[in-house]
Amino acid sequence: AQSVTQLDSQVPVFEEAPVELRCNYSSSVSVYLFWYVQYPNQGLQLLLKYLSGSTLVKGINGFEAEFNKSQTSFHLRKPSVHISDTAEYFCAVADFGNEKLTFGTGTRLTIIP
Amino acid sequence: GAVVSQHPSWVICKSGTSVKIECRSLDFQATTMFWYRQFPKQSLMLMATSNEGSKATYEQGVEKDKFLINHASLTLSTLTVTSAHPEDSSFYICSVTEEAGAYTDTQYFGPGTRLTVL
Repeated sequence: AQSVTQLDSQVPVFEEAPVELRCNYSSSVSVYLFWYVQYPNQGLQLLLKYLSGSTLVKGINGFEAEFNKSQTSFHLRKPSVHISDTAEYFCAVADFGNEKLTFGTGTRLTIIP
Repeated sequence: GAVVSQHPSWVICKSGTSVKIECRSLDFQATTMFWYRQFPKQSLMLMATSNEGSKATYEQGVEKDKFLINHASLTLSTLTVTSAHPEDSSFYICSVTEEAGAYTDTQYFGPGTRLTVL
C-alpha cells in the first residue's frame, strides 16, 4: 500500500520570499509523483509530474520539485512567491503497475503582502 | 488544458433522498472519468473509474449500489448518491482523461460538488 504525507497543513509566506512545500511518500515499488494546485472555487490543476529521468522537475508558474528516492520525498519549491500563488497544493503518488493516484491531505499556501 | 464542470456546485438534501451530480467535459472527449470524495482535512479518495459505454469500476469499500455511476457519453458522467445519509456528506470531485485506463495521463479536475445531507 502507498501513502502520501504532507506535514504542513498551512504555510504562510511573505510575498517574494521563497517557499518549500514538503511531501513524503511510502511505497514498496517505483512510483510516479505529482503536484496539483487548487485555486479557490476551481478544480485541481497539474503543476508538475515526475515519471522518470531527471530528478529535478520544472512545472508551471515557476515551481519545481525534486525527487529524492533515498528520502522518499518530492518537495515543491519556488524561489519567489506571488500573491497569485495563494492556493491549496496537493501531492500525489501512483505506483508502477497500479497507477491510481493517492493524494496527500494538501497544504494551504497563503501569501502575505 | 481541458475544462471540466460539475453541477451542482453544492447541494443540501434530506436524509433518505437521492442526489445526482453531473460531471461534464466541455472541450474534449473524455474516455475515462474518475470520481473522488474528499472529507474535511483529508485527502481525495478515489471512489470509482468509468469508461464511456462500460460499467464503472469501484474501489474497495465503495458501495456500487449506493453510488451509481453512469458514463453514457464522452462528455458526461453522473454520480447518483442513493438514499443519502449524513455520513455521505462530503466534497465530490470528478476528473477526466483522454486515454482509457491511463491513470497517470494528465487528469483534468472539476471544481467539485459539496453535498450536505441533513
